[in-house]
Amino acid sequence: DAGVIQSPRHEVTEMGQEVTLRCKPISGHNSLFWYRQTMMRGLELLIYFNNNVPIDDSGMPEDRFSAKMPNASFSTLKIQPSEPRDSAVYFCASITSDGSYGYTFGSGTRLTVV
Amino acid sequence: GQQVMQIPQYQHVQEGEDFTTYCNSSTTLSNIQWYKQRPGGHPVFLIQLVKSGEVKKQKRLTFQFGEAKKNSSLHITATQTTDVGTYFCAEGGPFNKFYFGSGTKLNVKP
Repeated sequence: DAGVIQSPRHEVTEMGQEVTLRCKPISGHNSLFWYRQTMMRGLELLIYFNNNVPIDDSGMPEDRFSAKMPNASFSTLKIQPSEPRDSAVYFCASITSDGSYGYTFGSGTRLTVV
Repeated sequence: GQQVMQIPQYQHVQEGEDFTTYCNSSTTLSNIQWYKQRPGGHPVFLIQLVKSGEVKKQKRLTFQFGEAKKNSSLHITATQTTDVGTYFCAEGGPFNKFYFGSGTKLNVKP
């Protein structure tokens, strides 16, 4: 298995533009999580899905953020409009139902909003 | 959500010295996981602890879960430069939701 695949690896965009981050979880993992990492706030959980259904989006900072998981092999995180304070590394992670082997994280998307 | 407190924030050691990071909670934890993140990389799962007083070893790494399940530690014996990175503990919640500590950044001087 190629692991959790995220794209793009790097994204530089201008303030106000729409940004879409993509994630392909490991096949067979039934839960998917989106995290954001910054120096100031560490690893923050944004939203997670169980069997493609959003369970908890209380970590999503604002209405500018939205996430979807249309099927078991694909998820997107969208920011519209983007702002400089959204600059961070965004990680997607998936996990099996019993959780005993922990999250498998993707390599992340480093987002810079200028 | 609940949050584990992790100390120290930074640790600088000479290669060959030991290193320990601690994770503390005010409430009883159902389980705890440990991750390592290399500079510029992503967190990588190391281990999960579930039982009270549990001790697990991975080569030079020793993981402990407190008897009251309110604290945990990661100890590295004889650090090497390959141990450089940030070590996170993560508290388990429902639906496999994990709350990450702030991490301990380890620097090893050769």
